Amino acid sequence: ETGVTQSPTHLIKTRGQQVTLRCSSQSGHNTVSWYQQALGQGPQFIFQYYREEENGRGNFPPRFSGLQFPNYSSELNVNALELDDSALYLCASSPKGQLNTEAFFGQGTRLTVV
Amino acid sequence: AQKITQTQPGMFVQEKEAVTLDCTYDTSDPSYGLFWYKQPSSGEMIFLIYQGSYDQQNATEGRYSLNFQKARKSANLVISASQLGDSAMYFCAMRELLNRDDKIIFGKGTRLHILP
Repeated sequence: ETGVTQSPTHLIKTRGQQVTLRCSSQSGHNTVSWYQQALGQGPQFIFQYYREEENGRGNFPPRFSGLQFPNYSSELNVNALELDDSALYLCASSPKGQLNTEAFFGQGTRLTVV
Repeated sequence: AQKITQTQPGMFVQEKEAVTLDCTYDTSDPSYGLFWYKQPSSGEMIFLIYQGSYDQQNATEGRYSLNFQKARKSANLVISASQLGDSAMYFCAMRELLNRDDKIIFGKGTRLHILP
């Protein structure tokens, strides 16, 4: 186990609803990144949080937003859910700026939008 | 343009044989790191091995080794003596130092099936 935990593990939502996913980072890691993995694809970078601020963003619309808390845990919020938002959402934590350190991933949240 | 290319969508290998998973990458950043992750059906990304762009020797971790050919921008994963538990998706990934967000860029993956 990596020490990164995500909740919930599975979630079913209706199109148009809002969802919040949660992630607690590995002890000592101050950076949390979120990834979306559609079925049969590699993970795609959504955004990263460092020192409670967004530190970089991938090609995702503003309805994807996040938070980081003083204990480095993080939330991913998605508003106005669309069917294409159905995916595995992965959270990863790592120390900031250490190129040779792997990111530790949680087990993911499987979101299904119907 | 794709930054990480994995050309093998799926592979079937007999148990105990060695297997090579291909990965090529594209970057103009002189400082970068290359990773391989394993993803079983449970979904968690499991780190396997890391290679830095300035590392002179190929990385090895137990049964895993990385065949790093910098001039060809190639970073193939070699698994020796494959086991049934090696059946999973495998992702090649890269982190570039100049990217302030430290994001990891993943390939599309290779699904490895180990046959008994």
